[in-house]
Amino acid sequence: DSGVTQTPKHLITATGQRVTLRCSPRSGDLSVYWYQQSLDQGLQFLIQYYNGEERAKGNILERFSAQQFPDLHSELNLSSLELGDSALYFCASSVGDTGTAYNEQFFGPGTRLTVL
Amino acid sequence: AQSVTQPDIHITVSEGASLELRCNYSYGATPYLFWYVQSPGQGLQLLLKYFSGDTLVQGIKGFEAEFKRSQSSFNLRKPSVHWSDAAEYFCAVGGVSGGSYIPTFGRGTSLIVHP
Repeated sequence: DSGVTQTPKHLITATGQRVTLRCSPRSGDLSVYWYQQSLDQGLQFLIQYYNGEERAKGNILERFSAQQFPDLHSELNLSSLELGDSALYFCASSVGDTGTAYNEQFFGPGTRLTVL
Repeated sequence: AQSVTQPDIHITVSEGASLELRCNYSYGATPYLFWYVQSPGQGLQLLLKYFSGDTLVQGIKGFEAEFKRSQSSFNLRKPSVHWSDAAEYFCAVGGVSGGSYIPTFGRGTSLIVHP
């Protein structure tokens, strides 16, 4: 158990809908990262937040957004869902902001999103 | 742009045999390199990482990896595989862009262990 929790574990929805995925980082971790894992694209970094502020952006679509709240939990919002958005979405957390030094990331178990 | 190639999609070994998983990377400067393991239904767990210094890196669960700059490789090895090592293995390269760390993962290698 990494200490990172994600809810829900599974989500089934229809095209065009909007969903919210939630992540609670390990106690004391200030950074949260979101990843998408799909058969087509593999594991892709989406976005990082550090202490409430956006820090780094990867291959995140404009239909997707995220935020980190004062209690440090994070939510990933996916809207206008398409079939291709079906994937496993991981959250990870680390103690600090990466910057020029790497902080080990601890991954949650993921949320499996199925878009029908 | 940084990239990672794991040329083997699947690797099958017998329990007790040695293992080597290949990873080649592309990055303009000295990279941060990682190996992660993902068991079914689980998130990724860090096995080991290389930042600088000794090019042979020891990790958890008896794994090691060797950084070879001349070959742009960071292969993962284990001298004797256990059935519990069956999992998906990901190599990743980390680079700093605009002051932030951006990781790039390979497509993964699925390890199958025969008894």
